[in-house]
Amino acid sequence: EVQLLESGGNLIQPGGSLRLSCAASGFTFTTYVMAWVRQAPGKGLEWVSTISDTGFSTYYADSVKGRFTISRDNSKNTLSLEMNSLRADDTAVYYCAKGSLPRGFIVAFDLWGQGTMVSVSS
Amino acid sequence: DIQMTQSPSTLSASVGERVTITCRASRGINKWLAWYQQKPGKAPKLLIQEASSLESGVSSRFSGSGSGTEFTLTINTLQPEDFATYYCQPYSENWMFGPGTKVEVK
Repeated sequence: EVQLLESGGNLIQPGGSLRLSCAASGFTFTTYVMAWVRQAPGKGLEWVSTISDTGFSTYYADSVKGRFTISRDNSKNTLSLEMNSLRADDTAVYYCAKGSLPRGFIVAFDLWGQGTMVSVSS
Repeated sequence: DIQMTQSPSTLSASVGERVTITCRASRGINKWLAWYQQKPGKAPKLLIQEASSLESGVSSRFSGSGSGTEFTLTINTLQPEDFATYYCQPYSENWMFGPGTKVEVK
């Protein structure tokens, strides 16, 4: 079955760190751009970060640049998001998403996980 | 960064109606625009990419058009399952989403 399964969400204090993971299955993970998108409670979708199929190129929204790091392990079909210096406004459901074309960078996101909740609060 | 505006922010409609949502980009993005549908508590679902290319399995009630800076999503003969929030997303430079349009029951 083609799917993405996120994990790692938790309640964390401001200033803390957290690592999210996304396990991919059912498609050739190594050939697709992958991304993280988040949604704060009651708010719209916010793109967070994208990584190329090889992992060599990464892109970040200004709101997380310098604090979050996206990475992938193509041997394990896993996408990760390392989040540091967490703030209250990072509270959101975090989705991982798959690029819509193999080897392409100008892509929409055609497969989404179910999301994992990150709550930043003291 | 490319800025996207969506209108309206909320749309009240009845089953059977035809509805149109507009997305405008701050500068030209060619055809690189996607539309997503999201229902409460669920992940977004890709409906259309490249402005007008309908995803496999998506109802033909949905159609997209436009290029450059102005795009539209049209839902013909609105069905009960179409009440949701719709987002546009330009993907030529980054992947930032538009603010969304909530389609609600009139």
